[in-house]
Amino acid sequence: AQSVTQPDIHITVSEGASLELRCNYSYGATPYLFWYVQSPGQGLQLLLKYFSGDTLVQGIKGFEAEFKRSQSSFNLRKPSVHWSDAAEYFCAVAMNRDDKIIFGKGTRLHILP
Amino acid sequence: DAGITQSPRHKVTETGTPVTLRCHQTENHRYMYWYRQDPGHGLRLIHYSYGVKDTDKGEVSDGYSVSRSKTEDFLLTLESATSSQTSVYFCASSAGQQETQYFGPGTRLLVL
Repeated sequence: AQSVTQPDIHITVSEGASLELRCNYSYGATPYLFWYVQSPGQGLQLLLKYFSGDTLVQGIKGFEAEFKRSQSSFNLRKPSVHWSDAAEYFCAVAMNRDDKIIFGKGTRLHILP
Repeated sequence: DAGITQSPRHKVTETGTPVTLRCHQTENHRYMYWYRQDPGHGLRLIHYSYGVKDTDKGEVSDGYSVSRSKTEDFLLTLESATSSQTSVYFCASSAGQQETQYFGPGTRLLVL
């Protein structure tokens, strides 16, 4: 069965520092990959998604993610974080067009001033 | 942003009582979803719908039922609420199964 792992439950970075959030999935096929963000007290919002093509995808709010098939990873990056980026981030995966999307357990990002 | 609302936003109920949560979307999306969010578990799919009167179970469907009589409305019912169903419930909708899901603001349910 498909699964998605976010190894880091919490991450703390200083404002202005770079960020990388990890996401790994278990399955051999080329999956549909998503990153969502949840600000406190709100629902989730899509940051970016990858279906095919260029393995580096750009999203909203200055985020990007890179699909690496050899590592079964889809890590989220941002070159310089802002205090407003403090939130919980969810990676999500569907193994093919007909599969349901499975969400990871989330990584909570804390920003130091 | 897609117009998706949930009601009620907060509810306190007692064990054994039935509870119905409502999700309403104005985007004419075909797919609708109910998730629960709990610390340490992330988001888990309860049920989803792929059209009017077409629904299917998700990962944690026991104790829950759903109904979709109109494209815009998706109801989640807890037939007999238990304390383990205390959670935050999110509804989402999407045009297609792998399309962007748009989430509602959530319903915080406390079962005493």
